[in-house]
Amino acid sequence: KQEVTQIPAALSVPEGENLVLNCSFTDSAIYNLQWFRQDPGKGLTSLLLIQSSQREQTSGRLNASLDKSSGRSTLYIAASQPGDSATYLCAVGDTNAGKSTFGDGTTLTVKP
Amino acid sequence: GAVVSQHPSWVICKSGTSVKIECRSLDFQATTMFWYRQFPKQSLMLMATSNEGSKATYEQGVEKDKFLINHASLTLSTLTVTSAHPEDSSFYICSALYRQHTEAFFGQGTRLTVV
Repeated sequence: KQEVTQIPAALSVPEGENLVLNCSFTDSAIYNLQWFRQDPGKGLTSLLLIQSSQREQTSGRLNASLDKSSGRSTLYIAASQPGDSATYLCAVGDTNAGKSTFGDGTTLTVKP
Repeated sequence: GAVVSQHPSWVICKSGTSVKIECRSLDFQATTMFWYRQFPKQSLMLMATSNEGSKATYEQGVEKDKFLINHASLTLSTLTVTSAHPEDSSFYICSALYRQHTEAFFGQGTRLTVV
């Protein structure tokens, strides 16, 4: 059974800092890995999707990497802004089955 | 990318009533859809897998008589929470699988509050 862990559970940084969120998973036989953002009381916003054959994906100030063999992914946020404050979820896609296993999330607070 | 629309985005209902949540794949046919639930301060957990034209497969601990899932067409799956109680208040989200060996696309989610 796939287990996904996100560290840290919460993170508070001053505006402008670069930061890294971590996601680890126990079964390396994954189809893809997706990072989401969730604002309080809101739905999910997909940030980056990495296929199992890929090493990283970039979108603006966000960069996500994937190391399947070690069961790890990182989400790098450059030059953080208060608007980045949210909970970030990592979801690992099951091979061939389509279902995902989510981590508990990292709650990020960026202080002005 | 493919679009999955979930409706409503939020709903408040009285205890004892039933509420239906729709999940639609707008520009592709989805043979399989998944329903997830998120309790406050917890992660999203898979509730059930919905296959078009057949009965849904529920995860352990999920009451199939309480959470009715219908996947009557290749573009629509519905989740009906029957006789809702305050403890059913949660965030529900669906995803739709384009076809096997591709990714699943997520809806925006529905926040259910039972009062």
